[in-house]
Parts: sequence; structure tokens; C-alpha cells
Amino acid sequence: AQSVSQHNHHVILSEAASLELGCNYSYGGTVNLFWYVQYPGQHLQLLLKYFSGDPLVKGIKGFEAEFIKSKFSFNLRKPSVQWSDTAEYFCAVMGRGSYIPTFGRGTSLIVHP
Amino acid sequence: EAQVTQNPRYLITVTGKKLTVTCSQNMNHEYMSWYRQDPGLGLRQIYYSMNVEVTDKGDVPEGYKVSRKEKRNFPLILESPSPNQTSLYFCASSQQGGDEKLFFGSGTQLSVL
Repeated sequence: AQSVSQHNHHVILSEAASLELGCNYSYGGTVNLFWYVQYPGQHLQLLLKYFSGDPLVKGIKGFEAEFIKSKFSFNLRKPSVQWSDTAEYFCAVMGRGSYIPTFGRGTSLIVHP
Repeated sequence: EAQVTQNPRYLITVTGKKLTVTCSQNMNHEYMSWYRQDPGLGLRQIYYSMNVEVTDKGDVPEGYKVSRKEKRNFPLILESPSPNQTSLYFCASSQQGGDEKLFFGSGTQLSVL
């Protein structure tokens, strides 16, 4: 069975600080990887995704993530966070050919102005 | 505007009283799915549908039913709700599932007393 582990459950940063959120997955095959963001009171939106090719993917709002196959990781990064990045972030994995994504527990990010 | 519409936004009911949460998408997507979001557990898929009259169980289907009689609609039915089904529910759709990003609805907060 596939699983996703997000190590940081709560992260508090000041504006302009750098961000890295960890995501590790377990799956016995090729996967598609996603990061979704949920702003307060809103629905989930896709930040970025990795299917194949360059393991460093860039998403919206200055976010990027790096797929490291040997470590089964897909960490999310942003060099300089803003107050508006306050949200909950979810890593998700879907096996190729599967239609059931597995989401991590989420990381709550609070950015102080 | 491309969107996934869920209704109602909030619902309070009592144990055993049948309810339906509606979900509609206007993007002609083939794949639709339902999730529940619980604190500390992230999102878990309840059911998904690959097309009209094609549905399948996700990770947590017990106590739920779905139907896909039309491409745009994918209602979630709780025949006999119980308190452990108190949760935040999201409907999502994508063009074909799997490799595609999910478009989420705004969510339905359900409380079963």
C-alpha cells in the first residue's frame, strides 16, 4: 500500500525566511507526485506536479520541489516566504495507472509579517 | 468560469437521517472523486468515477454511496449517517485522473449528531 509522510505538521516562519517542507512516500512502482495548497477557508489548489523528466519542478507563486528517487522524497521549497503563503500544504502521490491518490497529513504553515 | 460546485457548504444532521451532498463540474471532466478531510489524517478518497455509470471504491468507502448518471454530476450519499462521518468533504474532478491535476470544490462541512 502506498503512503505519504509529511514530517513537519506545523511550521512558523517570519516573512522572507526560506521554506522547505518534507515529503516522503512509499510505493512499489512509478509515481506521479503533487503538492497542493489550501488557503484558509478555501479549497485545495495545485501548486506543482512531477510526472517525469527534470526532477526539479517549478510551480506557481515561486514554489519549487525536487524529486529525489533514491530517497523517495519530494520536498517543497520557497526561497522567501510571504505572509500570503500562510496555508496548509499537502503532498500527494498517485501510482501510474492508479486513480486513487494518497495524501499526506498536511503541514500548516504560518508566516508572520 | 471552470469550477467544481458542492452543496451544501455546511450541513448538520442527526444519526440515521439520509443525506446527499451534490457535486457538479462544468469542465466536461471524465474523472470525479470524493474525499474526506480529518485533522491529522489529510485527505482520504471515498469513491471515484472514471465516467458515466463507472464508479469504484477509494480508500474509505464504508458508509457511503455514489452515483454517476450524468457526466457533470457526482453526488455523495450517506444512507444512514453516523457521528464518525462528521468531517469536511471535498469533491474533485480532472480530465482523466491519474496524470491530471485535480480541481477541488469548496468543501462541505458535515456534522452528524
